[in-house]
Amino acid sequence: AQSVTQPDIHITVSEGASLELRCNYSYGATPYLFWYVQSPGQGLQLLLKYFSGDTLVQGIKGFEAEFKRSQSSFNLRKPSVHWSDAAEYFCAVGAPNAGNMLTFGGGTRLMVKP
Amino acid sequence: ETGVTQTPRHLVMGMTNKKSLKCEQHLGHNAMYWYKQSAKKPLELMFVYSLEERVENNSVPSRFSPECPNSSHLFLHLHTLQPEDSALYLCASSQEFGTRDPLHFGNGTRLTVT
Repeated sequence: AQSVTQPDIHITVSEGASLELRCNYSYGATPYLFWYVQSPGQGLQLLLKYFSGDTLVQGIKGFEAEFKRSQSSFNLRKPSVHWSDAAEYFCAVGAPNAGNMLTFGGGTRLMVKP
Repeated sequence: ETGVTQTPRHLVMGMTNKKSLKCEQHLGHNAMYWYKQSAKKPLELMFVYSLEERVENNSVPSRFSPECPNSSHLFLHLHTLQPEDSALYLCASSQEFGTRDPLHFGNGTRLTVT
């Protein structure tokens, strides 16, 4: 069975600072990997996804993530955080034969200081 | 109207009430999902429908009853709920089930059981 761990429940960064949110997964092969963002009172919006190929993937809103097979990680990064990035971020994994049967991590809540 | 629409946005119900949550997708997708998002717990997949047929039921109590009359509409019928069922219920859709098509989420229904 697949699982996802987001070690950081809360993260606070200053506006303009860089950001890295951690995600570790457990799966026997290369899974499909996703990052979603949820603003207060909203549903989840897809930021980016990884299926295969180039391990550095670009997403919307200036986010990127890097798949590292050796570390079973798929960390989300942004070089300069904006106040509007404050939200909860979810990493998710799907099996290649059932890609949209996602298992989600517990989420990381990002707060941005002015 | 585009995307995935959920109604109502908020619902308060007593333990003996019967109510229904509605989800409608305007994306032409063939798969629809119900997720439960509780405080301090990862998103839990409840039900999946593909082409109006239920394909997944993750050991959900029978007090939750899904219905998918067509590929654009999904309902979650609720009866004799418990206070621990209070949560955000998210509907999602994808182009097809069992593929890597990403999930598109609605904004959710915030359910409070008193």
